[in-house]
Amino acid sequence: DTGVSQDPRHKITKRGQNVTFRCDPISEHNRLYWYRQTLGQGPEFLTYFQNEAQLEKSRLLSDRFSAERPKGSFSTLEIQRTEQGDSAMYLCASSPRGPGANVLTFGAGSRLTVL
Amino acid sequence: GEDVEQSLFLSVREGDSSVINCTYTDSSSTYLYWYKQEPGAGLQLLTYIFSNMDMKQDQRLTVLLNKKDKHLSLRIADTQTGDSAIYFCAERTDGSGNTGNLIFGQGTTLQVKP
Repeated sequence: DTGVSQDPRHKITKRGQNVTFRCDPISEHNRLYWYRQTLGQGPEFLTYFQNEAQLEKSRLLSDRFSAERPKGSFSTLEIQRTEQGDSAMYLCASSPRGPGANVLTFGAGSRLTVL
Repeated sequence: GEDVEQSLFLSVREGDSSVINCTYTDSSSTYLYWYKQEPGAGLQLLTYIFSNMDMKQDQRLTVLLNKKDKHLSLRIADTQTGDSAIYFCAERTDGSGNTGNLIFGQGTTLQVKP
């Protein structure tokens, strides 16, 4: 296993279009997280899954954002009707159950540019 | 509310020690983390400390935690040019693993001059 994989690495889109990002966590990890990082800032929490259940959503996750993890493995983050303010790096992380649950491993991120 | 603050920039000479500081506001923090981010890359976990510890050492890295002052520091001994990156401090208040929310600081850019 090579770690947390994210796809695509970079997406350029026009305002108003929909985009979808995919995250493949480390295979034995049941916890999956999405964060957003804007330029010059630290990551901000968006949402969290334990297996297929979405247990927590931040107020940053507006109605245009939806995240799924249908089979408890990979996850998708969709942004509808993109706005320029959505331009950011979208980071996925995962962690295992048990003692390592509090140690998040991050992927390389998917950078979104909205023109 | 919860807040994590870091100084924005630190410049050191190769071979010197670097000390990156972080303050946090939530006294119920259970885990505190240091992550490293190189340009265009994701976050790499460097080390973390549980709130009942006051020090943790891992090779060139030393983490000091002062719970009374809510102050966390990361010392990098014998700093190398490859250590140039942005360093993020983060805290987690729920140690149960039932929430996903890490609060990150703004990041400290470490510049290592040869």
